[in-house]
Order: sequence, then C-alpha cells, then structure tokens
Amino acid sequence: EPEVTQTPSHQVTQMGQEVILRCVPISNHLYFYWYRQILGQKVEFLVSFYNNEISEKSEIFDDQFSVERPDGSNFTLKIRSTKLEDSAMYFCASSERGTTNYGYTFGSGTRLTVV
Amino acid sequence: GQNIDQPTEMTATEGAIVQINCTYQTSGFNGLFWYQQHAGEAPTFLSYNVLDGLEEKGRFSSFLSRSKGYSYLLLKELQMKDSASYLCAVRDDSQAGTALIFGKGTTLSVSS
Repeated sequence: EPEVTQTPSHQVTQMGQEVILRCVPISNHLYFYWYRQILGQKVEFLVSFYNNEISEKSEIFDDQFSVERPDGSNFTLKIRSTKLEDSAMYFCASSERGTTNYGYTFGSGTRLTVV
Repeated sequence: GQNIDQPTEMTATEGAIVQINCTYQTSGFNGLFWYQQHAGEAPTFLSYNVLDGLEEKGRFSSFLSRSKGYSYLLLKELQMKDSASYLCAVRDDSQAGTALIFGKGTTLSVSS
C-alpha cells in the first residue's frame, strides 16, 4: 500500500536554529498538507499546498514557517528560527484530490524537540 | 468559528459495543472523517460521511446528521487492539479549503 514517508523520525534542535522537515507524498497525489500535534493535544492544521503554491494556511503558520516542493517528489516544511513551543510531532499528509472521500494519508511523523 | 467536541475518554470491555459521539460547529461543511491514532503514531483513516445516514465498514460504522451537527463512530466486537484515540475531523470548505479540522480526540481503553 502506498505510503507517505517522512524524515527524520526524530529531530532535536537548539532554540533559534532552522530546521527542515522532509516528506515524500504518495506519487499520484496532488494535495499536500502539514499538521502538527503538541504532546497531549489535538492535531492542528498548518498549511495545504496544491499546484506548487500554498492554497490555505492557519494562524499558526506565520512568517517563521515556509513550505516548498523542491523537486517532483519532496515536500518540505522549514521553520526558520525555532522556539520552545514549536516542539511537537509534525505530520505530512497527502490526498489524490482535495475532496476525496478516502481521507488523507498521513506520514508517520517527525518528532521535533526544541531545547 | 470552528468547534468540534468529543468526549475525552471512554472505557469498554472486549467484545462490547461502544459509541463515540462528535458534535461540530463549523462555518462550512464538506465531509466528516473519523481517524484512529495509536500513541506516538500517525492518524489512520477509518470512515467518511458527507450525506446523512450510516456508513458501515466491517466492525466500524459512522453516522452523520448534518442538521444536528452530529456524528458518531460505532465500534462493535471490541478487541484489545482497538485501544487508541479516535479523532473526529471536519472538512470546512467555507474558505474553499480542503484542510481537516480535528477535535481533541477520544481515548478509548479496552479491557479484558
């Protein structure tokens, strides 16, 4: 069964450092998403990406965040200057169409710890 | 605004039936999803409802009433492996978006 792949699985970084989280969505999917989940809290939407541009973003996705699809397979989330409160599990997801009834396939996540 | 409510925790025994409720208030609506999430893992898709009524898929069923802003997930013949968090999520298309808005999740503990 096709999977969404995320690397690394764990990342520890110092406050103020830049991090890049990587995702390889399912190959025939067109819509890509980043979500985050702070420990013990709900899954929160960050950004959606379609046709090489951001289609929607939440209030969380401020100027510290950016996304990019540098080639035909990777989808990245960059946090420019990490803060302690950025510590969370970051999930990438993809879907074939934005209105699919088969849900979104999530990757296994990157656990980011900011110290 | 957007608000999705579900109970925080539920307990049940193996072989039993459990119903997890979800109520939502969103600006737009284009489908309600249920996901299962084991601790430390990614959410996995369980079900989707966009029209009123019941969708059945094996041991799991999901119901939707759009007029009431209400859904439930019904789990039958519970097994120990069903112990997990169950996430209710709504696709709010009021801004032409496709993102899912999640509730806080219901942690289900199944005991023998």
